[in-house]
Amino acid sequence: GDSVTQMEGPVTLSEEAFLTINCTYTATGYPSLFWYVQYPGEGLQLLLKATKADDKGSNKGFEATYRKETTSFHLEKGSVQVSDSAVYFCAPSYLNQGGKLIFGQGTELSVKP
Amino acid sequence: EAGVTQFPSHSVIEKGQTVTLRCDPISGHDNLYWYRRVMGKEIKFLLHFVKESKQDESGMPNNRFLAERTGGTYSTLKVQPAELEDSGVYFCASSVSSGANVLTFGAGSRLTVL
Repeated sequence: GDSVTQMEGPVTLSEEAFLTINCTYTATGYPSLFWYVQYPGEGLQLLLKATKADDKGSNKGFEATYRKETTSFHLEKGSVQVSDSAVYFCAPSYLNQGGKLIFGQGTELSVKP
Repeated sequence: EAGVTQFPSHSVIEKGQTVTLRCDPISGHDNLYWYRRVMGKEIKFLLHFVKESKQDESGMPNNRFLAERTGGTYSTLKVQPAELEDSGVYFCASSVSSGANVLTFGAGSRLTVL
């Protein structure tokens, strides 16, 4: 079935470091792609999305580009802050599956001052 | 606008007992989804309601789980009897349409089965 693979965590970075969290998905369709984030003690929040090839989603300094040729949607941020510490989830959504999200295992990010 | 509300935030029960989790979606959202995250693993889809109808329940693990959405408003997820492996965080999400749109999630209900 459809699936998504994220790089394993935890990822520990120093403040202002560059962040990349890799995400690849199965290509049995043409999904929309999402990154959700869960801050400590909170629920899942949408971080960014992209709905077609070569689209770039961006929010709060984070970016991800929909790469159809490599079936990837890697999350990047040029300079992380302590407040970015959270668990990040990559999730494609297939229109023919009622819009449900298929999540990866999540990548925990810890940013140290 | 009120968000997705889940209750309880944390429930601790013994094996064999029953627990009912509740989700109040955003008003006007016909689509309601239940997900579960067990032991820090991936978040797994459980089921999807469109109004009061079950659109997709392919992720329900077994018949100890019963989800309802009477009247197409709030939803409940009952686990009876609970087993140790049911421990985890249960998330509810809602959306306006079932296309490629954004799901708004609740804070989750943490279930601990002892």
